[in-house]
Amino acid sequence: SYVLTQPPSVSVAPGQTARITCGANNIGSYSVHWYQQKPGQAPVLVISYDGDRPSGIPERFSGFNSGNTATLTISWVEAGDEADYYCQVWDSSSVVFGGGTKLTVL
Amino acid sequence: QVQLVQSGAEVKKPGASVKISCKASGYIFTNYHVHWVRQAPGQGLEWMGMINPSGGRPRYAQKMQGRVTMTRDTSTSIVHMELSSLRSEDSAVYYCARDVCSGASCFLFDSWGQGTLVTVSS
Repeated sequence: SYVLTQPPSVSVAPGQTARITCGANNIGSYSVHWYQQKPGQAPVLVISYDGDRPSGIPERFSGFNSGNTATLTISWVEAGDEADYYCQVWDSSSVVFGGGTKLTVL
Repeated sequence: QVQLVQSGAEVKKPGASVKISCKASGYIFTNYHVHWVRQAPGQGLEWMGMINPSGGRPRYAQKMQGRVTMTRDTSTSIVHMELSSLRSEDSAVYYCARDVCSGASCFLFDSWGQGTLVTVSS
C-alpha cells in the first residue's frame, strides 16, 4: 500500500514560516489534501487538491506538490496554528493518511 | 449549515460488536458519500470505508473487510457503522465525515462528526 511519510514534529516561532512535508514515491502524480487537527477536535480540511484553500481558511495556508514531496506552508505562524497536520491522498483503492506532524509554536 | 452528529461513547468487551450512528443535516443526504475514519489514542487517522447514501455497495478498507458494515437510512438521514469482533486495538475515536463532492466520491472530507469514543476492555 502507498505510504505517506511526515516528520513527527515541526517547531517555529510566531511570525515565521512553517513548512510541513509529506513524502512518497511520485506523490506529485496524486492529489494531496491537508487537515489540521487540534486536541480533542475533529480534523479540518485546510488544503485540497495540492494547493486549493477551502472557504474560510486563511491565505497564510498554502500547498505545493511535485516529485516525491508535497509541502504545506503556513506563513506568519500564529499561536492558534499549533496543531497536528495530516496529509492525505486517494491511491485508487484506499484513502491514505500520513502519520501526522505536530506543529509547535514556540 | 452542514452538520454530522454522532452517537455517544461506547464501552465494549472483546469479541463484541459496536454500532455507531451519524446523523446528517443541512444538506441533501443522498447527494454526498459518507466516510468513516478512526483514530486510536495518540495515533494518526485511519480510513475505514465509505457509503453512498443514495445506494450501491459500501466500499471498505481492506484491513476492515469482514468486520465492518456500513448502512444508511434515508428516511432519517442517518449512516451507521458497525464493527464486529472487537479487540483492544479497536479502541479509538470514530469519526464520520462527508465527502466534498456531490454525486460521486472525491475521497476528501469537508465536514466531520464530533467523534465517538469506543473503548474495548474486558
